[in-house]
Amino acid sequence: GAGVSQSPSNKVTEKGKDVELRCDPISGHTALYWYRQSLGQGLEFLIYFQGNSAPDKSGLPSDRFSAERTGGSVSTLTIQRTQQEDSAVYLCASSLVASNQPQHFGDGTRLSIL
Amino acid sequence: AQSVTQLDSQVPVFEEAPVELRCNYSSSVSVYLFWYVQYPNQGLQLLLKYLSGSTLVKGINGFEAEFNKSQTSFHLRKPSVHISDTAEYFCAVSDLKGAQKLVFGQGTRLTINP
Repeated sequence: GAGVSQSPSNKVTEKGKDVELRCDPISGHTALYWYRQSLGQGLEFLIYFQGNSAPDKSGLPSDRFSAERTGGSVSTLTIQRTQQEDSAVYLCASSLVASNQPQHFGDGTRLSIL
Repeated sequence: AQSVTQLDSQVPVFEEAPVELRCNYSSSVSVYLFWYVQYPNQGLQLLLKYLSGSTLVKGINGFEAEFNKSQTSFHLRKPSVHISDTAEYFCAVSDLKGAQKLVFGQGTRLTINP
């Protein structure tokens, strides 16, 4: 079946612009995660959605970052007023509900801020 | 809070030789343990996971890992590597309960030389 789909695969934008990154999870997966992978910081958790519960936003690095998940499926990560340190690969993952279920990752969006 | 340490940032190995990638973790609570592999320009793929039971876990592509609670380690091994195993490998932990956000190590780049 289809895996986790992320778009765009690459995004280049100027400092100060807003960007939106999209994630389509695997059908039936109610848990959705965003991670950021950068050279300096490695892989970091950003935000977690589970069903209709309030999201866990504890990993968002600043208030310029926000995310939503509409209809319990597609998610959008928005970065406002982008800075050069936002350059990274943004990975989305989804899983079934249960703490022992593995996360399935998309191929990521490579974001470059000029 | 948890932390994961991958002791080697790079491991060069000759083809058909055995390899061990080391992982140690720190946590005040019990955790689940995972190894993921990342090929260039791709997302993360699950190699194996330890949830409970037998401390020796077998995964895909001939990899296995052994959970050692007293040493808080979860080292990854393969008896004979192939060129196609060249990739970055990440060790990760997650809580048994609550949000399943993964805490990752810094990664080990495995390079297989002919």
